[in-house]
Amino acid sequence: EDKVVQSPLSLVVHEGDTVTLNCSYEVTNFRSLLWYKQEKKAPTFLFMLTSSGIEKKSGRLSSILDKKELSSILNITATQTGDSAIYLCAPAPLVFGKGTRLSVIA
Amino acid sequence: DTGVSQNPRHKITKRGQNVTFRCDPISEHNRLYWYRQTLGQGPEFLTYFQNEAQLEKSRLLSDRFSAERPKGSFSTLEIQRTEQGDSAMYLCASSLFGQESNQPQHFGDGTRLSIL
Repeated sequence: EDKVVQSPLSLVVHEGDTVTLNCSYEVTNFRSLLWYKQEKKAPTFLFMLTSSGIEKKSGRLSSILDKKELSSILNITATQTGDSAIYLCAPAPLVFGKGTRLSVIA
Repeated sequence: DTGVSQNPRHKITKRGQNVTFRCDPISEHNRLYWYRQTLGQGPEFLTYFQNEAQLEKSRLLSDRFSAERPKGSFSTLEIQRTEQGDSAMYLCASSLFGQESNQPQHFGDGTRLSIL
C-alpha cells in the first residue's frame, strides 16, 4: 500500500523566517513527486520533481528530491503572510499526503 | 477562464438522496481525476479516466459511487443514497498524460457536499 508522510503537520512561524517541510514516501511505480499549495480552495501546482538531487526554485520557494531516502523537502525563505496555506506532497498522481499547515504571522 | 470547472459549487441535500456533480476539465487534457477531501486531510483518490476509459477506482469507493466520462471530455460523479459520511469537498483534476511522464494536475475549485 502506498504511503506518504508529511511533517510537521502544522507549523507557525513569524514573517521573515525560513521553513523546511518534509515529505517521505513509499509508493510503487514512482515517476515524479509533486508539491501543491492549497489555500481556501483547490490545490495549485508548485513543483514537479523527477530527478534526485536537482533543486527546483521558484522565487522564495525551492524543493529537492532524494530518491535514495525516498523523501523530498520544500523550503520557503523569508516567509510572508501570503505563504499561509496547506502544502501537499504527492509522490504519485493518485496519492497525496495529509499536508503541512503553515501559518505565517506578522 | 480555461481552467477546470466544477458544478455545482455547493450542494446541500438530505440523507438518502442521490446527487450528481459535473467536472469540465481543461480541453486538451486526456486524464481526469476525482478526489474527496475532508477537513485536515489531503485529497483522497476516488477514480480516474484516461479519455473515456475509467482506468482505476479506489478500493475504498463504495458501490454507491459511480463516475462517467462518456465522450472523453466532461465527467460526472454520482452518489446514490447519500449518507452523512459523504459530506466532503469533491475535487476534480485534469492532466495531460504522455508516454514519458505524467504532467501536474490542475484542480477545480471543488463541489462542497453537505448531507443533512
